[in-house]
Amino acid sequence: DAGVIQSPRHEVTEMGQEVTLRCKPISGHNSLFWYRQTMMRGLELLIYFNNNVPIDDSGMPEDRFSAKMPNASFSTLKIQPSEPRDSAVYFCASSPIGTGPYEQYFGPGTRLTVT
Amino acid sequence: GENVEQHPSTLSVQEGDSAVIKCTYSDSASNYFPWYKQELGKRPQLIIDIRSNVGEKKDQRIAVTLNKTAKHFSLHITETQPEDSAVYFCAASRADYKLSFGAGTTVTVRA
Repeated sequence: DAGVIQSPRHEVTEMGQEVTLRCKPISGHNSLFWYRQTMMRGLELLIYFNNNVPIDDSGMPEDRFSAKMPNASFSTLKIQPSEPRDSAVYFCASSPIGTGPYEQYFGPGTRLTVT
Repeated sequence: GENVEQHPSTLSVQEGDSAVIKCTYSDSASNYFPWYKQELGKRPQLIIDIRSNVGEKKDQRIAVTLNKTAKHFSLHITETQPEDSAVYFCAASRADYKLSFGAGTTVTVRA
């Protein structure tokens, strides 16, 4: 089992540029989560998908952030335009099918630096 | 929404001693309480979890206790080893999906 896969692992970009982060959940998991981790705010849930449908996006900081899950094996988190305060580690996590809540398995994360 | 508080923020222990981390939560409907370990530069990894129908759970050197009446739960690590050094996060969730995380405890095990 490959686990949750994220790409890229590191991203350095200039303010104003578009950034796209990618995630492949564990096969068979029907729930997918995007988190952001910073020293100041800790681990924050940005958005949650269940069966490819966004269920709760209340954690998305503002309209510059968007997320999609076109199929069960792929999700993207896009920031456009990026700002220095978006610098953080972004984690994707997936969770198996069943009556919740169930353990969430985290990917390795994408370290984003916006200069 | 759920508010999870975690103490202490840092903990230094001598190798072989025990470490205890405590968390409190605010939502009495929460019924799932996982603990994650995050080593420097790595992903959070689930180390143990407990559901509200049990009061204690053990897995080798780690154990978690839950007091639903007082709305607090604790992580106990016995016979600590250098590889236990990491940041530990507690979390709480209702019968849905949303994990509310504590701020984390940085544990340092001194050799």
